[in-house]
Amino acid sequence: DQQVKQNSPSLSVQEGRISILNCDYTNSMFDYFLWYKKYPAEGPTFLISISSIKDKNEDGRFTVFLNKSAKHLSLHIVPSQPGDSAVYFCAAKNDYKLSFGAGTTVTVRA
Amino acid sequence: KAGVTQTPRYLIKTRGQQVTLSCSPISGHRSVSWYQQTPGQGLQFLFEYFSETQRNKGNFPGRFSGRQFSNSRSEMNVSTLELGDSALYLCASSRAGGLETQYFGPGTRLLVL
Repeated sequence: DQQVKQNSPSLSVQEGRISILNCDYTNSMFDYFLWYKKYPAEGPTFLISISSIKDKNEDGRFTVFLNKSAKHLSLHIVPSQPGDSAVYFCAAKNDYKLSFGAGTTVTVRA
Repeated sequence: KAGVTQTPRYLIKTRGQQVTLSCSPISGHRSVSWYQQTPGQGLQFLFEYFSETQRNKGNFPGRFSGRQFSNSRSEMNVSTLELGDSALYLCASSRAGGLETQYFGPGTRLLVL
């Protein structure tokens, strides 16, 4: 039962442009959402989070938007840089448990 | 501040054997969670420990077990290994495991032959 879905397995974007990653969830009990970035053979690195009581959180080049009514969140990366090429996971939390999406592989082209 | 550490980093076992993986959380963190990452299933939650007590458990068979020590270090054990247990096992820690960020270790890559 996949409660968190990232429907785009991959995204290719030109350096300097905006990357938009999307995530949908089904469990209305989720109360905290996070984005992680992962390189091969490494653990996920925390990027940015948002509480369910907010609709936007910004940290430098990264902004996360939450639309609770649509059960949808997105991550915007502006501007995209070559070092942003990685797998991005959306995660949602409730009851001390994190549920992850399948990930979106982002490739930033020079 | 040192990050989450996991040992060993790589492990090769054969079917039927058992394995123990170790995780040391960030200093001051008392919640430790374990995840399995496979190419087909993504990151799957195994269990979460806080103050030596298992608070939550994912949908894995009883062959997967864990424990936490008084210093918050945690171990995960898999008995009677199967080929399908080959995966990257990730440990994550947080202060109390509530509405807060979990920080991940580098993982242990287990290969079952």
